[in-house]
Amino acid sequence: EMQLVESGGGLVQPGGSLRLSCAASGFTFSSYWMSWVRQAPGKGLEWVASMKQDGTKEYYVDSVKGRFTISRDNAKNSLFLQMNSLRAEDTAVYYCARVETVGSSGWFDPWGQGTLVTVSS
Amino acid sequence: DIQMTQSPSSLSASVGDRVTITCRASQGISSWLAWYQQRPEKAPKSLIYGASSLQSGVPSRFSGNGSGTDFTLTISSLQPEDFATYYCQHYNSYPITFGQGTRLEIK
Repeated sequence: EMQLVESGGGLVQPGGSLRLSCAASGFTFSSYWMSWVRQAPGKGLEWVASMKQDGTKEYYVDSVKGRFTISRDNAKNSLFLQMNSLRAEDTAVYYCARVETVGSSGWFDPWGQGTLVTVSS
Repeated sequence: DIQMTQSPSSLSASVGDRVTITCRASQGISSWLAWYQQRPEKAPKSLIYGASSLQSGVPSRFSGNGSGTDFTLTISSLQPEDFATYYCQHYNSYPITFGQGTRLEIK
């Protein structure tokens, strides 16, 4: 069974940093683009970042460019999101998702259960 | 960036009803469109990809249609477990964007 399990969320002050992790199992992790998608409390879904299978290509939503960095460790079947200079508007549940690609983009399946990041003083 | 607009934003219906949700892209996206279901406090679940292809394991009462800029998700006969929020998403290019969601409630 395919599974994605996020960890690393929590409460952080504005301007602080946090590193999210996603452990993948049940599929060949190194064969897939992977992504982070977030959902602010009571709001809709927002794509955050995606990374190519070998880590040589990445894309970000404009609002996190220069602050967030996506990375992966294919040997450990793990995806990461380093979040720096956090703002209140980054408060959200962050989901890890496998990308079913057409070229470099695609749809998301499956999704992890999410990890909550709260940015507040 | 491509904007995705769903309508309606919310919808009340009864078990057994047929419902249709619409998603419009701000520019043509061919058939590069997916639909998701999200139940309260749960992660989204993929329903449809390629505008009309059913994800494995999804009941056949769900169907998708459309191409270019206008798309629909139809549930042919609502079941109690279908009351949830539904999102469309384009994957024509980056940045990927989602519609704002349609909340399907029990009448």
